[in-house]
Amino acid sequence: GQQLNQSPQSMFIQEGEDVSMNCTSSSIFNTWLWYKQDPGEGPVLLIALYKAGELTSNGRLTAQFGITRKDSFLNISASIPSDVGIYFCAGNSGGYNKLIFGAGTRLAVHP
Amino acid sequence: DSGVTQTPKHLITATGQRVTLRCSPRSGDLSVYWYQQSLDQGLQFLIQYYNGEERAKGNILERFSAQQFPDLHSELNLSSLELGDSALYFCASSPSGSSGNTIYFGEGSWLTVV
Repeated sequence: GQQLNQSPQSMFIQEGEDVSMNCTSSSIFNTWLWYKQDPGEGPVLLIALYKAGELTSNGRLTAQFGITRKDSFLNISASIPSDVGIYFCAGNSGGYNKLIFGAGTRLAVHP
Repeated sequence: DSGVTQTPKHLITATGQRVTLRCSPRSGDLSVYWYQQSLDQGLQFLIQYYNGEERAKGNILERFSAQQFPDLHSELNLSSLELGDSALYFCASSPSGSSGNTIYFGEGSWLTVV
C-alpha cells in the first residue's frame, strides 16, 4: 500500500533558527497538505499544495510540491516558541479523498 | 476554530463497554472522516462518509462502525472496547468527497478505556 515517510522524526532547535522537514511517498500524489497539531488539539491546516512544482507561503512557512509528485517539504523561517508542536504531511493520490498522513515531525524550540 | 464540532471532548469507560462519538461537520461540508490517533502515533484513517453514504474505508475494526445522518452529522460507534482502543478520535470534514479537497479537523474526542 501507499506509504509516506516523514523526516526528521523530531527536531530541537534554538529560537530564530530555520527549520526544514520533508515527506516522500512511494507513489505519485495529486495533493500535499501540511498540518500542525498542538498537544491535545486537532491538526490545523497550514498549507495546501495542488500542483507539481507549486511553492506556497503562509507567513514564515513555505512548502513545495515536489516536481516528481512524490515528495514535499515544509520550511519554517526564524522559528519562535509557539512553533512548537507536531507537523504532519498528508497526501492524496486521487479518487476519493482518503488522505494518507506521515508519522509527524515533533518540533521543540528552545528560547 | 475549524468549524468541526466533536463531542464528548473526554470520555472514560470500562473494557467491554460501548461508546458513541459525535461529529458535526463544517457548514456546507458533505464529507465526514474519522481518524484515530493513539499515543505518540500518527493519524490512522478509519472511514469516510459522503452525503450519508460510506465512501472509503481504512483501518477500521469490525467492532467499530459509523454512520452519517441526513443532517450530515456523523457518529462513530465503538463497541466491546479494549484497553488498546484508548486514543484520540478525530472527525474531519470537507466540501466534497473527491480528490484535492482539503479536510478540516475537529478538536478530537479523548477516549480512555480502563
